[in-house]
Parts: sequence; C-alpha cells; structure tokens
Amino acid sequence: DIQMTQSPSVLSASVGDRVTLNCKASQNINKYLNWYQQKLGEAPKLLIYNTNNLQTGIPSRFSGSGSGTDYTLTISSLQPEDVATYFCFQHNSWPLTFGSGTKLEIK
Amino acid sequence: EVQLVESGGGLVQPGRSMKLSCAASGFTFSNYGMAWVRQAPTKGLEWVATISYDGSSTYYRDSVKGRFTISRDNAKSTLYLQMNSLRSEDTATYYCTREGRRGFDYWGQGVMVTVSS
Repeated sequence: DIQMTQSPSVLSASVGDRVTLNCKASQNINKYLNWYQQKLGEAPKLLIYNTNNLQTGIPSRFSGSGSGTDYTLTISSLQPEDVATYFCFQHNSWPLTFGSGTKLEIK
Repeated sequence: EVQLVESGGGLVQPGRSMKLSCAASGFTFSNYGMAWVRQAPTKGLEWVATISYDGSSTYYRDSVKGRFTISRDNAKSTLYLQMNSLRSEDTATYYCTREGRRGFDYWGQGVMVTVSS
C-alpha cells in the first residue's frame, strides 16, 4: 500500500499569510494527487485534482504543485474561512489512500 | 447540480448486517464510477470500495473484503453498500462519492454507522 504522510499535522498562521502544506507518498504516484478541504461537521470538498488543477468554484488563492513522491498545497493569502483540515489523496494505485491530514488554524 | 444523498445508517450490533444507499442526481449516473469512503469519529478518511460505471468491476480495501459488497442500479441512479459481519472498527461516517478522472470530485453529506452492543 502507498503511505501518504502529511506535514505539519497542525499549522497556525495569520490572516493574509502564505501557507504551505506538504504531502509525501511512499512511492511515485505519477501526479495522481488530490487535495481535499474538510470543515468541521462537513463532508470533504475537492480543491485540487491531479496535482495542480483547480476544481471548479475553488478560489484561485489555492494552488498545488509537485511530482514523483512530493506534493504541496499552497494558500497564497490565508482567509478566516480557510480554517479546516486538509487531506491529500492518491488515486494512482489500489488501495487508494489518504494522508492523515493537516489541521489549519488562524493565529 | 450534483447531489448525493446517503441513507440507511444507524446503530447495529456486532456481527449483524446493514445496507447503505446513495441516491444520485444532477449528472448521468451511468457514466461514472462511484465509491464509498468512511471516516471514524475524530479520525482521517479511508477509502472502502469502488464500483465501475457499469458495475462490471469492483475494488475493496482488504479489511472489508468478503464482508462488504458495493453495487449499483443505474436505472434508479442509486449506489449501495451491503455490510455484513459488522465489527466495532467499522463504526464511522460513510460518504458516497463520485469517482472519475479527477478522483473523488463530489461527496454526499455522509451517514453514520455505529456498531455496538
């Protein structure tokens, strides 16, 4: 199974900050990497698919990059509504696997 | 607008069965693979099972193989998850998701399954 390791597990930043969330796969996942945002009590929402493609309706302050085993989600200017847990997810091979999440807080 | 609405959850005793349903609307159901993803209380997300657009192929995580069955009725635009021999570790919110080239792109609101005596 491909293990997905996210860092940090908790991130505290100020409104307006540029924030970077990391995800490392245990083997090459060929850019089949998605990012999901989950707010408290809600279902996950797709933000970025296949490494760097912004899902319809998602603000342009979200962006993704990476290749091979290392991937990044960047929020260019943190907003209060971005408080959530962010999960990375690989759909390159079975079983499909998620990272354990990064909880993003506002300072 | 894509909508996925799960139903059928609740409290069930260990070893018993439960069947979840997911009613889909707002897209051509028969064109998409579908999946179930679960989340134990205060835990992360865990893929459970996937079914191809026509139902001809299914995939399961090891821990549910032989106990869970994913199926679909394209005429009714409905996805199912039959869960047998339930264990306490199956306690979770179960999400129905649409699966395509973008991975899981739309999610239902989730349904809670609690396995306890």
